Amino acid sequence: KQEVTQIPAALSVPEGENLVLNCSFTDSAIYNLQWFRQDPGKGLTSLLLIQSSQREQTSGRLNASLDKSSGRSTLYIAASQPGDSATYLCAVAPLYNNDMRFGAGTRLTVKP
Amino acid sequence: DTGVSQDPRHKITKRGQNVTFRCDPISEHNRLYWYRQTLGQGPEFLTYFQNEAQLEKSRLLSDRFSAERPKGSFSTLEIQRTEQGDSAMYLCASSLRGRDPTIYEQYFGPGTRLTVT
Repeated sequence: KQEVTQIPAALSVPEGENLVLNCSFTDSAIYNLQWFRQDPGKGLTSLLLIQSSQREQTSGRLNASLDKSSGRSTLYIAASQPGDSATYLCAVAPLYNNDMRFGAGTRLTVKP
Repeated sequence: DTGVSQDPRHKITKRGQNVTFRCDPISEHNRLYWYRQTLGQGPEFLTYFQNEAQLEKSRLLSDRFSAERPKGSFSTLEIQRTEQGDSAMYLCASSLRGRDPTIYEQYFGPGTRLTVT
């Protein structure tokens, strides 16, 4: 059974700092990995999707990497801003079914 | 098209009542998913549809839960005889699944928050 873990569970940083969020998964048989952002009480916004054959994806100040063999992904946020404060979730799409598996998320607070 | 929409956004009901939620996916998307999310946790998969066919159901989806997607457009999720443990955010997502499954991306709606008292 695929297990997805995100570390740390919560992170607080001052504005302007670069930061890394971690995601690990137990089964490397995946189609892709997605990073999402969730604001309190809201739905999920897709940030980046990394296909299983890719190593990284970039969008603006965000860079996500994928090491499928070791079951790890990182989300790098450059020059953090207070508007980046949210919960960040990673999710993997397994090869053998359509049961997308999510981590519990990292709650990020960026202090002005 | 402005994205995935869900209705209602909030629902408060008494234990034992039935509730129904609606999801309207992005219009050209052939796949529709339902998830449940409790506080401090990531979403948990409940079920998904390919067009109008319900192809997979989680063991979380007890017999009190039923989902439909008539005509392959909008979907409804009904919970019968609600219990306090059903209190959660119910999220709907849609995707366009083509020949390359590695590139399909799920787009989520704003969710319906259910509170069972």
